[in-house]
Parts: sequence; structure tokens; C-alpha cells
Amino acid sequence: DQQVKQNSPSLSVQEGRISILNCDYTNSMFDYFLWYKKYPAEGPTFLISISSIKDKNEDGRFTVFLNKSAKHLSLHIVPSQPGDSAVYFCAASGSTGGSYIPTFGRGTSLIVHP
Amino acid sequence: GAGVSQSPSNKVTEKGKDVELRCDPISGHTALYWYRQSLGQGLEFLIYFQGNSAPDKSGLPSDRFSAERTGGSVSTLTIQRTQQEDSAVYLCASSTPGGRGNEQFFGPGTRLTVL
Repeated sequence: DQQVKQNSPSLSVQEGRISILNCDYTNSMFDYFLWYKKYPAEGPTFLISISSIKDKNEDGRFTVFLNKSAKHLSLHIVPSQPGDSAVYFCAASGSTGGSYIPTFGRGTSLIVHP
Repeated sequence: GAGVSQSPSNKVTEKGKDVELRCDPISGHTALYWYRQSLGQGLEFLIYFQGNSAPDKSGLPSDRFSAERTGGSVSTLTIQRTQQEDSAVYLCASSTPGGRGNEQFFGPGTRLTVL
């Protein structure tokens, strides 16, 4: 049973346009959400995060939106650049016995065309 | 500074053999995680170490899997009697105390292929 779902395995966007990556979760105990970016043959790298007390967090070209009632979050990249082409993982965490081990989605492969 | 390193980068083994995968976390990071990523899947949590506390082994898929962390630093993931379904990329990550909001720093992974 997937608690964190990224229903789009891939997304293709033109350079300069907006990329929107979506993530849904089922566990209402999750209260912290992270996005990681992964290039081939490398480990994931942290991109941006958001606490459940907020509904938006922005860092440069990257903005994460959280809709708690819908248990949905999205990552917006604007403007998209070819170097953004990577696999993006959504992760969610919440206290379970005092530890916050993130649960990851399956990832969305973003391709930004020049 | 040095990031998380893992060795070997690739490992090909025969079914039934034992393998050891190594992780060197970032110095000073007290939390260490092992994940695996099978083809087309997300990151599957395996085990979590935090300081001197007992590890959280809740993600280990079978008793063929074990891990230890010596001296609060280097960790070794051991898979005994490997099976073909163990083929995956095994990722290690470390972080500061491991609480909510502490981003994880991942190594490049070890790609394990069981023939």
C-alpha cells in the first residue's frame, strides 16, 4: 500500500515553461514533506521542503504547495531549464515512535526540452 | 567537503552468495539510513541508525538482510544467500540527528545484480 504516490511517471516540458510535479499522500500523520532530485548514477539530493503548518514554500525557481485537506502537494519549477531534467521524488515524514523516517514516492522523470 | 560514499559502486554476484555493501556517512552525522530502489520503484526504507540507540530494522525484507554500524560511523549492509529479487540499487543516506526536517544526504548507491 503506497502511502506516497506520484501518479505521473514522466513529464515533458519546454525550456522556459513551468513544470508542475504532483504528489498525493494517504497518511494524515505525515507533517513534513520533502522533494529530492536525482540524476542518473547519483544519489538523490535535497531540493525543498515544507512543514504542514505552511501551505507554500519558495526557493528561487522552486515552489512547493501543500493542500492538507486534499492530502496533495506539488512542486513548481519556473522557468524550467534543461539542467532540471532528472527524476524528482516526493517524500513525507511524521513521528512514528519518535523517529521521522521519510516515505518516498516512486518518482517522476522530468525532461526539459531546449 | 566529503559527502556520503558507498562501495562498491557495482556488484554482480551469483544467486546464493553473500554480499556486503559499505557506507561511509558524512562526518558528524549521527543518523544513517539504508534504502533500496528496485527498477521502477521508489526508495524502499530498510534500516535506520540513530546514535547509540537500537536501530530501526522495520524495513528489512527478510532475515537474510542485516546491517551494523561500527563506532557510530561506517555501516555495512549484509545480504546472505542472495536471490534475484535482491537486485536493486542500494542507497545509503546520513543526516544530523534524524529529526523531522533534517534533510538526508545520499550516497551514489551500490547497484547489485544477482544472476
